[in-house]
Amino acid sequence: DIQLTQSPSFLSASVGDRVTITCRASQGISSYLAWYQQKAGKAPKFLMYAASTLQSGVPSRFSGSGSGTEFTLTISSLQPEDFATYYCQQFNSYPLTFGGGTKVEIK
Amino acid sequence: EVQLLESGGDLVQPGGSLRLSCAASGFIFSNYAMSWVRQAPGKGLEWVSSISGSGGSTYYADSVKGRFTISRDNSKNTLYLQMNSLRAEDTAVYYCAKYGSGSYYDPFDYWGQGTLVTVSS
Repeated sequence: DIQLTQSPSFLSASVGDRVTITCRASQGISSYLAWYQQKAGKAPKFLMYAASTLQSGVPSRFSGSGSGTEFTLTISSLQPEDFATYYCQQFNSYPLTFGGGTKVEIK
Repeated sequence: EVQLLESGGDLVQPGGSLRLSCAASGFIFSNYAMSWVRQAPGKGLEWVSSISGSGGSTYYADSVKGRFTISRDNSKNTLYLQMNSLRAEDTAVYYCAKYGSGSYYDPFDYWGQGTLVTVSS
């Protein structure tokens, strides 16, 4: 099984900050990586796929990069509505796996 | 507008059974693979099972293989998850999720709101 390790697991930041979350895969997954945002008590929301292609409607302050085993999600200027938990997910092979999540909280 | 509406979650005793349903609308249901993903209280996301658009092929996580069965009725635009021999560790919110295409190698572009399954005596 492919393990995904997210770091940090918790992040405290202020509105306007630049935030970067890392997702490392235990083996190469090409660009078969997606990012999701989940707010408390809500379903996950799809943000981007192929490591860097934004889903329609997702603000351009979100960006992604990486391939192989190391990936990043960056929020260029954190907004109040961005405080949430972020998950990476690989869809290169089964079983599908998710990272452990990164909770972004207000400083 | 794509909508996924789960139902069937409940409190059930260990060893019991439950069937979850997910009613889909806003897209051609039979064209898309579908999946169940769960989230234990305060924990992360765990993929459970997936099914092809035709229903002819399925995948399961090892943690549920042999106990859970995924199925779909394309005439009713509905996805199911039959859960047998339930354990305390199956307690979670269960989400229905749609793949971005008919392929299994796509992310989940839409998710339902979830239904809570609690396994406890």
